[in-house]
Amino acid sequence: QVQLVESGGGVVQPGRSLRLSCAASGFTFSAYSIHWVRQAPGKGLDWVAVISKDGNNKYYADSVKGRFTISRDDSKNTLYLQMNSLRAEDTAVYYCARVGSGWHGDYWGQGTLVTVSS
Amino acid sequence: QSALTQPPSASGSPGQSVTISCTGTSSDVGGYNYVSWYQQHPGKAPKLMIYEVNKRPSGVPDRFSGSKSGNTASLTVSGLQAEDEAVFYCASYAGGNIFLFGGGTKLTVL
Repeated sequence: QVQLVESGGGVVQPGRSLRLSCAASGFTFSAYSIHWVRQAPGKGLDWVAVISKDGNNKYYADSVKGRFTISRDDSKNTLYLQMNSLRAEDTAVYYCARVGSGWHGDYWGQGTLVTVSS
Repeated sequence: QSALTQPPSASGSPGQSVTISCTGTSSDVGGYNYVSWYQQHPGKAPKLMIYEVNKRPSGVPDRFSGSKSGNTASLTVSGLQAEDEAVFYCASYAGGNIFLFGGGTKLTVL
């Protein structure tokens, strides 16, 4: 069955960096684009970034552009999110989601919590 | 990149129907048939309920249906059941390789 497992979250100071991972299984990873979506505590869903199935196209929300980088390693069936210059407002649970035919996320991981605090 | 507009809450009694709206603009909801809906129970990951306006993934009960008129999309839950109580989010492709979510609607089954 399709499975996505995020990892790498934790507590980090403002201005520092963190890299999240999303390990995929149960499907042909290289055939799908993948989203990162986040959810601040008690708040709604917030799209962060998407990477195309070939890794050549990457798109970001304005709020993270220039600070976050999405990437993938198809040999490891793993998606990454490199987060630099972290801010308090980046505190959230970060989910990866497989992209279906029409930009929707058809399968989601369980999320990993990132807390940016001094 | 303004979020799509959803009512903060909706409610209905078991067996009744409830409709949740999702209002955007001609640049997102109205411009593309890429509206999707997600159900999220407390402490859980979102689950896809509707995609491409009105398509249901395998395993989602046919009590859930989606539609769109102009810049407003809607999710209707028929025959409400206790387990339907959750927060529902809409989302839409917004052009320019941007994806937008609504603010979420908490559905209460009375």
